[in-house]
Amino acid sequence: EAGVTQFPSHSVIEKGQTVTLRCDPISGHDNLYWYRRVMGKEIKFLLHFVKESKQDESGMPNNRFLAERTGGTYSTLKVQPAELEDSGVYFCASSRVGVTQYFGPGTRLTVL
Amino acid sequence: AQSVTQPDIHITVSEGASLELRCNYSYGATPYLFWYVQSPGQGLQLLLKYFSGDTLVQGIKGFEAEFKRSQSSFNLRKPSVHWSDAAEYFCAPPQGNDMRFGAGTRLTVKP
Repeated sequence: EAGVTQFPSHSVIEKGQTVTLRCDPISGHDNLYWYRRVMGKEIKFLLHFVKESKQDESGMPNNRFLAERTGGTYSTLKVQPAELEDSGVYFCASSRVGVTQYFGPGTRLTVL
Repeated sequence: AQSVTQPDIHITVSEGASLELRCNYSYGATPYLFWYVQSPGQGLQLLLKYFSGDTLVQGIKGFEAEFKRSQSSFNLRKPSVHWSDAAEYFCAPPQGNDMRFGAGTRLTVKP
């Protein structure tokens, strides 16, 4: 069974540009989560999808962040426009039911 | 709400030595608790989890953790550390839909 995959693994952009991160969950996992870790800080929850619906987006920092999950399969997280403080590692996780989440390798975002 | 504290930001051990990483939780009822590891360039990998029952939990890669209610702890242990264990370790309780991670403990393994 393939694990959670994320693309790209690393992205370097300039302030003001747009970046889109992608997450492919484990097949059959209805729950999909986004987290991020900015430099020196803790890993923080961003949002949770159940299939294509946003169950909880209380962790989204501001309206420059837009997450979608078309068709309840893969998800994208768009940052527009990117700011310096958005730099960090963005993790995606998925779960079938229950609380056990399986994480992807992360996307390291660097905003210059 | 459940929360955890990992008191040690960085620990260094010699290869072959035993390891114990501390995790203290704050929650009245029996918590769910997880340990994840992030190796360099890798994602977060689940090491083990505790829901209820036997307080000594076995995980992957030779790790185990013991839930001690009297000490509000869920410390991660390994009897003999390998160089490949160098990584960052996170204790995490789920909180509703999301995981609430501790600050992490970075493990360095000396040859």
